[in-house]
Amino acid sequence: DAKTTQPNSMESNEEEPVHLPCNHSTISGTDYIHWYRQLPSQGPEYVIHGLTSNVNNRMASLAIAEDRKSSTLILHRATLRDAAVYYCILRDNNQGGKLIFGQGTELSVKP
Amino acid sequence: ETGVTQSPTHLIKTRGQQVTLRCSSQSGHNTVSWYQQALGQGPQFIFQYYREEENGRGNFPPRFSGLQFPNYSSELNVNALELDDSALYLCASSSRDRGLSEQYFGPGTRLTVT
Repeated sequence: DAKTTQPNSMESNEEEPVHLPCNHSTISGTDYIHWYRQLPSQGPEYVIHGLTSNVNNRMASLAIAEDRKSSTLILHRATLRDAAVYYCILRDNNQGGKLIFGQGTELSVKP
Repeated sequence: ETGVTQSPTHLIKTRGQQVTLRCSSQSGHNTVSWYQQALGQGPQFIFQYYREEENGRGNFPPRFSGLQFPNYSSELNVNALELDDSALYLCASSSRDRGLSEQYFGPGTRLTVT
């Protein structure tokens, strides 16, 4: 299973943008890049996913490097409710959709 | 649209006992995955069920087993409980028709083995 590397923790100020990095140097051509987040005392929540092109949705943006060996999740304006553990996951469509979680990045947001 | 629900919320068992955890998938979803999350760790994939059959398994022993029912709800059974089985057990549902792009997680069942 392909591995991802994320910083253990990051801090942000409320209403400022947050850039959460992820390295995945062993990514294969069929791996999609997924991001989930887990708020305290809740199950993980889907955030966004992409293959090669940058992606935007109502929650966040995903910027994918041209060589696909790294990606960045962008929260455009952090709120206190965005404080969570953010997981960057590689998922192979050919492996039945299982998610291989790493340690994730714990994001704290200061008012 | 009903979300993923799990029962019970919390459970305390003794080492050696057996436990059954339940999951109701989100409406319209036909695939259920189970994960184990130890304290301070990311979730670990246990197995996935699609059309009532196991469709992929992680590195868990056979004493972890499951079922999926015709209404797509699912059970996770763990026999001969060990202290290390204490964890949050999460179930996630998704739809094969959408290419499994998103998985929707329930709130989890907190299992404590003493």
